[in-house]
Amino acid sequence: SAVISQKPSRDICQRGTSLTIQCQVDSQVTMMFWYRQQPGQSLTLIATANQGSEATYESGFVIDKFPISRPNLTFSTLTVSNMSPEDSSIYLCSGRTSGSIGELFFGEGSRLTVL
Amino acid sequence: GENVEQHPSTLSVQEGDSAVIKCTYSDSASNYFPWYKQELGKGPQLIIDIRSNVGEKKDQRIAVTLNKTAKHFSLHITETQPEDSAVYFCAASARGGADGLTFGKGTHLIIQP
Repeated sequence: SAVISQKPSRDICQRGTSLTIQCQVDSQVTMMFWYRQQPGQSLTLIATANQGSEATYESGFVIDKFPISRPNLTFSTLTVSNMSPEDSSIYLCSGRTSGSIGELFFGEGSRLTVL
Repeated sequence: GENVEQHPSTLSVQEGDSAVIKCTYSDSASNYFPWYKQELGKGPQLIIDIRSNVGEKKDQRIAVTLNKTAKHFSLHITETQPEDSAVYFCAASARGGADGLTFGKGTHLIIQP
């Protein structure tokens, strides 16, 4: 298994600002993903974080709004840019280790509230 | 792309009874079907998964069944306990889970004492 740590765990942000969420994994992962979970809703995949290259975004999500970095195998960041109240959500980092076929591990999430 | 439907959205059962949550998927290429449990304020935790080459899998009080022809899979929890109260999500993925998962909308399971 893998332990995934995210920070901040929660934050209150002003409209128009940007916030960067950090994700650290305790073991090397082959794949890292970022998900969004709006209040009381399901998880929606934002993008796959690729090591050393641009992230692969799902339909409806763009790099200008959600820039992602993954400089090494165990660390990734997601920035939520130019925030509006509609961006209020839980953002979850997830990863899959080379030893787990298919199993995704999740962090505890970063709960953002945009005023 | 894949679409996963999950029912019911809320399920209330008496402690000790069984609970069943059902999901359907649309992409016949999907071959990996995990179930996650999410407690309040925490991230989802994998509780059981099944691949398309088997029809059923059990782990103590939890079982999952898969019907590939009908494109549906179900989670069965027997002898429910208060700590089973949580939101449960089903998910599906092609390529054995190598890609990201598509999640259902979740089921809020309430265990009544």
